[in-house]
Amino acid sequence: EAQVTQNPRYLITVTGKKLTVTCSQNMNHEYMSWYRQDPGLGLRQIYYSMNVEVTDKGDVPEGYKVSRKEKRNFPLILESPSPNQTSLYFCASSPNRVTFGYTFGSGTRLTVV
Amino acid sequence: DQQVKQNSPSLSVQEGRISILNCDYTNSMFDYFLWYKKYPAEGPTFLISISSIKDKNEDGRFTVFLNKSAKHLSLHIVPSQPGDSAVYFCAASGSGATNKLIFGTGTLLAVQP
Repeated sequence: EAQVTQNPRYLITVTGKKLTVTCSQNMNHEYMSWYRQDPGLGLRQIYYSMNVEVTDKGDVPEGYKVSRKEKRNFPLILESPSPNQTSLYFCASSPNRVTFGYTFGSGTRLTVV
Repeated sequence: DQQVKQNSPSLSVQEGRISILNCDYTNSMFDYFLWYKKYPAEGPTFLISISSIKDKNEDGRFTVFLNKSAKHLSLHIVPSQPGDSAVYFCAASGSGATNKLIFGTGTLLAVQP
């Protein structure tokens, strides 16, 4: 089954404790991206990657890091999480033509206390 | 600055009637528009799209209309079904080669039986 898999689904952590949210896709897509969803703000792009070893900032990159060492994986790293990073996170992938649309993962609900 | 706006946070419709969800955008360089549907605890799923060279695209019960002069698009669902109850996001592809989708804030549709 073609899918984007994120882990974990739910995570509660404390301020300053480094964490990684994993994302993996099995569709051989070149493009991958991370979004966060917040009430009243919709989905905002954090980082994206056009291909292996090619990453760039989205609209809200502060406090996040990413890497793309393999085509299928695109982990999101929070080096020192803060409460304002409490949010619902989605990973997405697509072929390098947006007309096909993104395939999203099921989301990671992160709470930073 | 919100480039894609959905001004109605929620909409309630009776089963069998038409649902009309609206979306406005500010960037005249957007060349592709998409609608996504999101159920609770799931990631958004692609619903329907339209290129800026068209003014209408239809897929079963779903039709998207694009009015470029007004920078406005709408999604019509006819007839509405209780299973259509979800959050609907419109999205636009940004100009350039980054594959980026810019999302609206979402509209919660409730279809009453």
